[in-house]
Amino acid sequence: QSVLTQPPSVSAAPGQKVTISCSGSSSNIGNNYVSWYQQLPGTAPKVLIYDNNNRPSGIPDRFSGSKSGTSATLGITGLQTGDEADYYCATWDSSLSAHVFGTGTKVTVL
Amino acid sequence: QLQLQESGPGLVKPSETLSLTCTVSGGSFNSNGDYWGWVRQPPGKGLEWIGSIYYTGSTYYNPSLKSRVTISADTSKIQFSLKLNSVTAADTAVYYCIRHSTSGSFGYWGRGTLLTVSS
Repeated sequence: QSVLTQPPSVSAAPGQKVTISCSGSSSNIGNNYVSWYQQLPGTAPKVLIYDNNNRPSGIPDRFSGSKSGTSATLGITGLQTGDEADYYCATWDSSLSAHVFGTGTKVTVL
Repeated sequence: QLQLQESGPGLVKPSETLSLTCTVSGGSFNSNGDYWGWVRQPPGKGLEWIGSIYYTGSTYYNPSLKSRVTISADTSKIQFSLKLNSVTAADTAVYYCIRHSTSGSFGYWGRGTLLTVSS
């Protein structure tokens, strides 16, 4: 069981906005950087957000990240069919001394 | 453009040792602040970090796997390797080699290789 909890699934119509939460504790999200990953079917994960709210080069600004206390959120605006994928948060857990990933969220475009 | 490529046997028998190699191209292995490592994903399940190595040879592992894992590097070949001993069916997964930053952002991923544990 992961120490980072995400909703199993979220969905919205094309063009709409979705948010994905990642809930942790003071030993992980509360005191460490959070990153977010998109995993399209049958492919390797790709980083969308690093260090809480930074986008790598080439990631559209439709994707955004934020952190507050022991939770983090990924936002996707202008939802597209190509955004259908699994999304994971990740951070360092100081108690476990391990990099940890969230439980994953499947995004469906209706 | 940095690229990572996993290679390995595809099939390992229970109780044997899993060995995978990651070949790095398009970049330097000896870059400050960058760590190299492995993440796995059982079929239909989530991601699990296995362990990481710095170019100096310093390693750290997931405590849940630490007793069975060894990660090493051959900087002359720009490769690093994973060994996981005493494997069981629970170790069946897609294994990804990765590069991550000091802050824990996994910026580069290989395509992944499926490793099946079966007799």
